[in-house]
Amino acid sequence: GQNIDQPTEMTATEGAIVQINCTYQTSGFNGLFWYQQHAGEAPTFLSYNVLDGLEEKGRFSSFLSRSKGYSYLLLKELQMKDSASYLCACMDSNYQLIWGAGTKLIIKP
Amino acid sequence: IAGITQAPTSQILAAGRRMTLRCTQDMRHNAMYWYRQDLGLGLRLIHYSNTAGTTGKGEVPDGYSVSRANTDDFPLTLASAVPSQTSVYFCASSDSTGGTDTQYFGPGTRLTVL
Repeated sequence: GQNIDQPTEMTATEGAIVQINCTYQTSGFNGLFWYQQHAGEAPTFLSYNVLDGLEEKGRFSSFLSRSKGYSYLLLKELQMKDSASYLCACMDSNYQLIWGAGTKLIIKP
Repeated sequence: IAGITQAPTSQILAAGRRMTLRCTQDMRHNAMYWYRQDLGLGLRLIHYSNTAGTTGKGEVPDGYSVSRANTDDFPLTLASAVPSQTSVYFCASSDSTGGTDTQYFGPGTRLTVL
């Protein structure tokens, strides 16, 4: 079956670095997405990886290893506004997104 | 309109009633999607449409129907609501004609079925 695993909750300190991991098993692979979702709001797109390696966008970076079925989202210089859920999603062979349950990130001062 | 809009924002509905959730996008995206989001679960696809005039079933289609008469609108109908359909519903769209197929989401509809 298809499965996306990510930790349920993580806590980090303002100004620090945090890495949110995601492992996946899907029928086919057409890319991996990370979305941010603040409480009560819609998911918003953060990053997309389809090739192995690291994609950097300001304070956020996303890494993909297709051979390991593994990705991570790295957040640097954490700010209080980064408190949110982070959703990992894989696009399968039918170009449908399979979603993880999300990682709730709590930032403490 | 900018992006995707959904209506209503929230709704309390008696079981057995019919309800249509509206979704409109102004980005001229060809593909549109309906998801439900429940606590502790990932977003689950209800129905999708790759282009105007076509629709398909997602992971959890039972009890829901959709139509796609034009590019902009993609309404979701609950023919006879049941309490298990209490959820937050998100509409999304993407340009699947090339590129990354990134999906963009509307603000959501919070539906409670009593």
